Amino acid sequence: GAVVSQHPSWVICKSGTSVKIECRSLDFQATTMFWYRQFPKQSLMLMATSNEGSKATYEQGVEKDKFLINHASLTLSTLTVTSAHPEDSSFYICSARFKQNTEAFFGQGTRLTVV
Amino acid sequence: AQTVTQSQPEMSVQEAETVTLSCTYDTSESDYYLFWYKQPPSRQMILVIRQEAYKQQNATENRFSVNFQKAAKSFSLKISDSQLGDAAMYFCAYRGYGNKLVFGAGTILRVKS
Repeated sequence: GAVVSQHPSWVICKSGTSVKIECRSLDFQATTMFWYRQFPKQSLMLMATSNEGSKATYEQGVEKDKFLINHASLTLSTLTVTSAHPEDSSFYICSARFKQNTEAFFGQGTRLTVV
Repeated sequence: AQTVTQSQPEMSVQEAETVTLSCTYDTSESDYYLFWYKQPPSRQMILVIRQEAYKQQNATENRFSVNFQKAAKSFSLKISDSQLGDAAMYFCAYRGYGNKLVFGAGTILRVKS
């Protein structure tokens, strides 16, 4: 399958700072990328869907000013957690797909810890 | 809205034995896809098997097979000849017209040697 790389794999940041997570499709052009959040031993919750060159579509209850998503190119989407707080600590996963109705491939995830 | 239900939080199986993980879903759409994903301790999501709703034949991938009952909206995963490497969290997922994946709560599978 195609490769989606997420960076960093883990990050620790201080409360009040911002942290950026990158999601790259390495061998295909991703027209759509998805960002998920996962708490320990729980399911993946979709946060937002981003299409290249347009604004992200956020799921209900997700603060768009808190979780900034940029999908500036066909191979890169970024999630920035702004003014992070301990409750933002979680596992964040991205996935990317080439076009509609094709399989989406997942990145390896990023563990964010806010102290 | 579509929902996916996995009623087994945890399952155990003896190595080399067979185990079945349950999944039911609710939808009013006629065309959709169903998936089983594996999430090992590394937390990398791995696609195990996929089923198109319009196909009557159950999907099979080596030791993994599904029992897709469209009328009952049931999509169970059977793992044959279980191996230690099969130990993971397994998620059932649905994708319909909205093209977004909807995940079940997951089932932790433990494999005993």
